[in-house]
Amino acid sequence: KAGVTQTPRYLIKTRGQQVTLSCSPISGHRSVSWYQQTPGQGLQFLFEYFSETQRNKGNFPGRFSGRQFSNSRSEMNVSTLELGDSALYLCASSTQREYNTGELFFGEGSRLTVL
Amino acid sequence: LAKTTQPISMDSYEGQEVNITCSHNNIATNDYITWYQQFPSQGPRFIIQGYKTKVTNEVASLFIPADRKSSTLSLPRVSLSDTAVYYCLVSDQTGANNLFFGTGTRLTVIP
Repeated sequence: KAGVTQTPRYLIKTRGQQVTLSCSPISGHRSVSWYQQTPGQGLQFLFEYFSETQRNKGNFPGRFSGRQFSNSRSEMNVSTLELGDSALYLCASSTQREYNTGELFFGEGSRLTVL
Repeated sequence: LAKTTQPISMDSYEGQEVNITCSHNNIATNDYITWYQQFPSQGPRFIIQGYKTKVTNEVASLFIPADRKSSTLSLPRVSLSDTAVYYCLVSDQTGANNLFFGTGTRLTVIP
């Protein structure tokens, strides 16, 4: 069974640009959540989608957005990039209808560098 | 907002039992406490999840006191391959349905 796949694995952008990251969950998983990981702030929750609906959202500005498609694949977008957006962006999928119950399966992440 | 606190780092010799505690004063009433392990350049990996008292699986135990304001991950007889960062994950009680990872504990297992 294939795991969670995130693309691209690495990317470099400049300030002011936008970026779109993609996540393909494990087959059958309908919940997809996104996280930002930085050395200074650690792991922070961005948002979670279930059956194409955003169910939960963390404390990030509106520049961070996401969506989920009917096949459960998800994308997140960051507009008007800032230097502080440089981070590892992790996606996780789950079967659970109730968030934070059950196991989250993480991808290897997309490492974004903003210059 | 929920605040989850963990020790920054711990060292242990191979074969010893390691206990890592996470403080989560504002955990949501109906939410679970989950622990993850992360190796460099990889996403976190699920270790164990519990709601109250004690949970045990093939790799760890999780102890949760009655007030649920903290939890302790117990790793029996650690090996060098257990060297990693360990995170607890809880939810916020304010109703914002926010998930909060702990600050992470870097465990180093010494031969």
